[in-house]
Formats: sequence, structure tokens, C-alpha cells
Amino acid sequence: AQSVTQLDSHVSVSEGTPVLLRCNYSSSYSPSLFWYVQHPNKGLQLLLKYTSAATLVKGINGFEAEFKKSETSFHLTKPSAHMSDAAEYFCVVSEAGKLIFGQGTTLQVKP
Amino acid sequence: DAGVIQSPRHEVTEMGQEVTLRCKPISGHNSLFWYRQTMMRGLELLIYFNNNVPIDDSGMPEDRFSAKMPNASFSTLKIQPSEPRDSAVYFCASSQPSGSYNEQFFGPGTRLTVL
Repeated sequence: AQSVTQLDSHVSVSEGTPVLLRCNYSSSYSPSLFWYVQHPNKGLQLLLKYTSAATLVKGINGFEAEFKKSETSFHLTKPSAHMSDAAEYFCVVSEAGKLIFGQGTTLQVKP
Repeated sequence: DAGVIQSPRHEVTEMGQEVTLRCKPISGHNSLFWYRQTMMRGLELLIYFNNNVPIDDSGMPEDRFSAKMPNASFSTLKIQPSEPRDSAVYFCASSQPSGSYNEQFFGPGTRLTVL
């Protein structure tokens, strides 16, 4: 079975500084990977998805993620954090049409 | 498109009562998913449908939970009888024909509190 592990439950950055949210996956074959974001009291929104076309994936709101097979990682980054980025972020792997979610990383952005 | 619609947005009920959560998927999507989110267990898939047919209900906690999809534009998740441990946010999501690369679109969720 496939799984994802988000290495940090909570990340705090200052506004304007880079963001790094870490995710490792476990898969016996080439996985389908996603990052979703959940703002407080809202549903989940897709940030980006890896579809094996390119290892560097660009998403919405300036986020991007790089698929590294050798490291089994799919870390999410953003060059400069904005206050509106404060939210819960989920790394997700797809298996047989189902999404399997990581435990989530809470991103705090300080002014 | 209005996106995935869920109702009610909030539900407070007493232990033992029946609870019905409703979902309208995005038009044209033929896969529908029910999730539960709690602090302790995170996001869990309860059940999903393809073309109105339940495909995998292995995540349904117990017989008190049931889900139906009578047509392509409507699904219900019912809990009978409800218990305090069922308190959670329940999300419905839909996607286009099932495939690994297909994005799931989530509704705003129903926050259920069972007293």
C-alpha cells in the first residue's frame, strides 16, 4: 500500500521568507502525488499535482514541488510567504482512484 | 459551476438521533467520495462511488453508517444512531472519471457535533 509522511506537523515562517513543507512517500511504483491546502473552516483545495510529465511542478499561489524519486520526496516550496498562506497543507498520494492523505502540516506566517 | 455543495454546514444533535448529511457533486463528475476529518485521525476516506455504485466502503466505521447515491447529482451519508465519537467534519468530494491523476474537488464540509 502507498503512504505519505509529512515530516513536520507545524512550520512557522516570517512573511516574505521561503516556505518548505516536507513530504516523503512510500510506493512500489511511480506514484501520483498531490498537495492540497485547507484554510480554516474551509474545504480542501488542490495546490498542485505530479503526473510524471515533469519532476518540477508549479501550482497556484506561487507554490511548487519537486518530485525526487531517489529520495522518495515531494517537498512543497514557495520563495516568499504571504500572510494568506497560513493554513493546513496535506501531501496526498493516489492509489486505485482513492486519495491517501498525510497527517498535515500547519503553516504559521508571522508578520 | 457552484462546486460541490454540502448541507447542512453545521449540525448539532443528541446521542441516539439519526443524522443525514447531503452532497451534490459537480455536474459531469462521476466519482463521489465521503471523508471524515478529526484531530485524532486526520482525513479518512469513508466510502466512494463510481457512476452511483459504491466501490469501496472499507472506511465506513461500522453498521451505524450508511451511504447512498440514488442518482448522479445527489448522495447522502446517514448515521443512525449517532454517538459523541461521530463528532467530526464530514467532507464530500467529486471527480471526473476515476483515474490517478484526476483532481478531487471538495465541498465546504459539514461540521457535526453529537452531544
